[in-house]
Amino acid sequence: GAGVSQSPSNKVTEKGKDVELRCDPISGHTALYWYRQSLGQGLEFLIYFQGNSAPDKSGLPSDRFSAERTGGSVSTLTIQRTQQEDSAVYLCASSSVTSVAKNIQYFGAGTRLSVL
Amino acid sequence: SQELEQSPQSLIVQEGKNLTINCTSSKTLYGLYWYKQKYGEGLIFLMMLQKGGEEKSHEKITAKLDEKKQQSSLHITASQPSHAGIYLCGADDRGSTLGRLYFGRGTQLTVWP
Repeated sequence: GAGVSQSPSNKVTEKGKDVELRCDPISGHTALYWYRQSLGQGLEFLIYFQGNSAPDKSGLPSDRFSAERTGGSVSTLTIQRTQQEDSAVYLCASSSVTSVAKNIQYFGAGTRLSVL
Repeated sequence: SQELEQSPQSLIVQEGKNLTINCTSSKTLYGLYWYKQKYGEGLIFLMMLQKGGEEKSHEKITAKLDEKKQQSSLHITASQPSHAGIYLCGADDRGSTLGRLYFGRGTQLTVWP
């Protein structure tokens, strides 16, 4: 696609439910990133994929959070047993591995998650 | 890790005025990225700086990376309401071509007519 696409754009869920957030990166971008932006907080790194593997998942806040990427394209971030503190905007970004582009990350519009 | 401090946290200016936003790091900046975010939207990439002393411009926005590569500034000339939003600086980890970016907390810019 032309840009990074995320779905859903908004998600309201009840505490304790599982949610899945989807990211479709820019076509041909091999690197994919998940960040979280909470009210009053900066961008918090969650996990990064190169192809289908995740060299850096150091930002996942707990074992309730997991992510996968298949076919080197679409990624899914899953949050199990959601808690109110999980409420945030979840942003996905992708980048191309070229020396010219360096690490320029292009972001999607995000998924706004509200846990009631 | 990389910690970035942005100043000011918020800025309110009248249309037509010039303004500057700063991004400071305690470590050498290898790749410095400026983004803009509007409410409810993702981050829009503005510019990337790598070399000390480098300066880049896009329309009325100019970004510089100082010679010591520990501070960057974003300057907007003759601000317009369309410039309003949150400006964030991001940095590489030791100049790697891949991997997470570290972000500042952002500067909220309001431009009133």
